[in-house]
Amino acid sequence: EVQLVQSGAEMKKPGESLKISCKGSGYSFISYWIGWVRQMPGKGLEWMGSIFPADSDTKYSPSFQGQITISADKSISTAYLQWSSLKASDTAMYYCARRSTSGYWYFDLWGRGTLVTVSS
Amino acid sequence: DIQMTQSPSTLSASVGDRVTITCRASQSISSWLAWYQQKPGKVPKLLIYKASTLESGVPSRFSGSGSGTEFTLTISGLQPDDFATYYCQQYNSYSPVTFGGGTKVEIK
Repeated sequence: EVQLVQSGAEMKKPGESLKISCKGSGYSFISYWIGWVRQMPGKGLEWMGSIFPADSDTKYSPSFQGQITISADKSISTAYLQWSSLKASDTAMYYCARRSTSGYWYFDLWGRGTLVTVSS
Repeated sequence: DIQMTQSPSTLSASVGDRVTITCRASQSISSWLAWYQQKPGKVPKLLIYKASTLESGVPSRFSGSGSGTEFTLTISGLQPDDFATYYCQQYNSYSPVTFGGGTKVEIK
């Protein structure tokens, strides 16, 4: 089955670090960009950045540049999103999504999301 | 960045209605526009790409049109399963990907 499987929900305190994951299966993971999309509670979708697992080429949204790090380990078909110092405003659902197999920047396969809660 | 503005933000409709959602881009994006459906607590689902191409498996009551800066998503004959929030997303290659703010389709 073609799927993206994300790591489980996280509850963290402000200032803590966090790395969440997204594992692809059923397709050639290294061949397609993986993006990360934030959805804050009750709000819309925001693209954060994307990575090409084959060579770890990375693109960031200007809104998130410097706030997050996106990485990938192609040997285990997994992409990551990490924070070095979380804030309460990072509380959100985070989705990973595959750029379309047609090569255009829409997303045709989504993970089920990782809920991150940051609270003291 | 290209800003995407959806209207209305909320829409009340009945089963069987024809529903139209508008998405406007702050600059021309040709036909580089996708539409997604998201139900509460669920993952976004791709409906349409390249403004009017239906993703495989999506019912034909969904259709998209437009180019340049103005786009529409139409649902012809609203079904109970269609009550959800809909997002547009531009993917012009010279600009970061951006989403519209969403349109919630509610039961009247």
